Amino acid sequence: AQKVTQAQTEISVVEKEDVTLDCVYETRDTTYYLFWYKQPPSGELVFLIRRNSFDEQNEISGRYSWNFQKSTSSFNFTITASQVVDSAVYFCALREPGTASKLTFGTGTRLQVTL
Amino acid sequence: EAGVAQSPRYKIIEKRQSVAFWCNPISGHATLYWYQQILGQGPKLLIQFQNNGVVDDSQLPKDRFSAERLKGVDSTLKIQPAKLEDSAVYLCASRPQGTGGELFFGEGSRLTVL
Repeated sequence: AQKVTQAQTEISVVEKEDVTLDCVYETRDTTYYLFWYKQPPSGELVFLIRRNSFDEQNEISGRYSWNFQKSTSSFNFTITASQVVDSAVYFCALREPGTASKLTFGTGTRLQVTL
Repeated sequence: EAGVAQSPRYKIIEKRQSVAFWCNPISGHATLYWYQQILGQGPKLLIQFQNNGVVDDSQLPKDRFSAERLKGVDSTLKIQPAKLEDSAVYLCASRPQGTGGELFFGEGSRLTVL
């Protein structure tokens, strides 16, 4: 069975601080996909990134970066120089390959960025 | 490209009443999902369709929940009779063909059961 753990329930930072959101996953498959989604107050889940299990290269997109480490089954997300607009709930999710596979979410981390 | 459309956005009902939610996925997306998100929790899959066939409904409370996707396009999720614990946001998502694609979510339908 697949499982995603986001141990941080809530994080509060001051604008311009860097913040890292942790994600640890469990799966028996050697091939899988990892995702991060952002859920702003409006409620819609916004896709941020997808990572294949065979690609451990870290990725940077503007102020966002992701650190994927298979050895520790972690896929952490860092926001550099946080902004108030980054305030949202962030979900890490795991999907195994195959048409029938489902996306399993963690419980989410609520990020509050204040001035 | 139009996103995933859901309606209604909000619904308040009393327990034991029935409710239906509608979802229109992104055009061409064969896979459609209904997720339930209880306040403070991550989304939980209720049912997954591939075209008009059910792929996974293992977590759907079938005594009260039903869903259909008759023509392989839009879908309806029904709850009858509703319980207090059904208060949640019901998220619809769709995915393009291929095994690695991300899911695209609608804004959700927030249900409050009194």
